[in-house]
Amino acid sequence: DAGVIQSPRHEVTEMGQEVTLRCKLISGHNSLFWYRQTMMRGLELLIYFNNNVPIDDSGMPEDRFSAKMPNASFSTLKIQPSEPRDSAVYFCASSWDLYQPQHFGDGTRLSIL
Amino acid sequence: AQTVTQSQPEMSVQEAETVTLSCTYDTSESDYYLFWYKQPPSRQMILVIRQEAYKQQNATENRFSVNFQKAAKSFSLKISDSQLGDAAMYFCAYSFISSGSARQLTFGSGTQLTVLP
Repeated sequence: DAGVIQSPRHEVTEMGQEVTLRCKLISGHNSLFWYRQTMMRGLELLIYFNNNVPIDDSGMPEDRFSAKMPNASFSTLKIQPSEPRDSAVYFCASSWDLYQPQHFGDGTRLSIL
Repeated sequence: AQTVTQSQPEMSVQEAETVTLSCTYDTSESDYYLFWYKQPPSRQMILVIRQEAYKQQNATENRFSVNFQKAAKSFSLKISDSQLGDAAMYFCAYSFISSGSARQLTFGSGTQLTVLP
């Protein structure tokens, strides 16, 4: 069974550009989590969804960040406009329901120049 | 607020030996989960082991075991017969259980484990 799939694996872009990160959930999972990992702040939860509905977005750093679940198996995290301080590894994780362990994707390493 | 503390930024162990990684946490909740995740250089986050707070018995997964001390709010990971493939960053994580609440994870800062041949 395929795990959580994130794309792209690496993204390098100039500041001010729009960045879209993608995540495909494990089939049958209905909870989706976006995390950001930096050296300074470690792993931080940005937002999570249950059954396509955003439950808590209090971890989203600014209005420049937005996340969607257009369907039950797919999510996007968008940064517009991007800034150098957004450089980090972004992880997506999914789980069967709110009470099951989360399975992580391989992450997207984002570099904003 | 819940916090997770890993006081050892780096650890090393000789291949085939045993190593223990420390983790403490702070919470006012009585029912929660604790996890150890492994992040190798490939960056993938891998669940190593999980412990439910209501269970007194320490969780074990093959060479990995935990020492869960609920009163002391301590949750250490023991790796026996260390292998080169165990080299990675290890994160301790906490999630509380509340009706209707998602399993948000609060992570520690991580411990980088080096396995020496």
